Amino acid sequence: SQELEQSPQSLIVQEGKNLTINCTSSKTLYGLYWYKQKYGEGLIFLMMLQKGGEEKSHEKITAKLDEKKQQSSLHITASQPSHAGIYLCGARGGSNYKLTFGKGTLLTVNP
Amino acid sequence: ETGVTQTPRHLVMGMTNKKSLKCEQHLGHNAMYWYKQSAKKPLELMFVYSLEERVENNSVPSRFSPECPNSSHLFLHLHTLQPEDSALYLCASSQGTEKNQPQHFGDGTRLSIL
Repeated sequence: SQELEQSPQSLIVQEGKNLTINCTSSKTLYGLYWYKQKYGEGLIFLMMLQKGGEEKSHEKITAKLDEKKQQSSLHITASQPSHAGIYLCGARGGSNYKLTFGKGTLLTVNP
Repeated sequence: ETGVTQTPRHLVMGMTNKKSLKCEQHLGHNAMYWYKQSAKKPLELMFVYSLEERVENNSVPSRFSPECPNSSHLFLHLHTLQPEDSALYLCASSQGTEKNQPQHFGDGTRLSIL
């Protein structure tokens, strides 16, 4: 079965700093999804990447998919306290509907 | 997001009780999912319904019983639960089950088993 490893597990940054979160898959990626979760709440869909080399941005968050390395990265520029939360990557293996998730990266942004 | 609504938000029950979790999606999707999120573990897919038919039952104990009466509603019936079933239960929906369709999640039900 597919496994996703996220790094780092947690991250504390000062407001205004840039940061990167990585997600590495044990198998070929057929689609990679990034979500954000506030503690005890649901997941908010951020971005979906499907093709190797694909890069998407939303406001100050950019995600890239390196299909050959079976890896995706999420980069936040000039972080703000509103970026704080748990970032989760999810991926489909060969199954159409089964999403496998990483354990998440807890981001704290200090003002 | 208010596209997927879950009730109740919090539930405390004894091991002998019977309760149900409800999920409603207002996005016009035709696939719905139940996930379990426990502390320090990845989200675990429990059930998948596509066009109101169950297409995935991920080795979930029979004390969890899903029901999908229509494409907008999904229930999770609970009975004789165990303390290890305490977790955040998340519902999600998507437009079909194809690979390019993201899943949209509700805020979850925090379940505590006494």
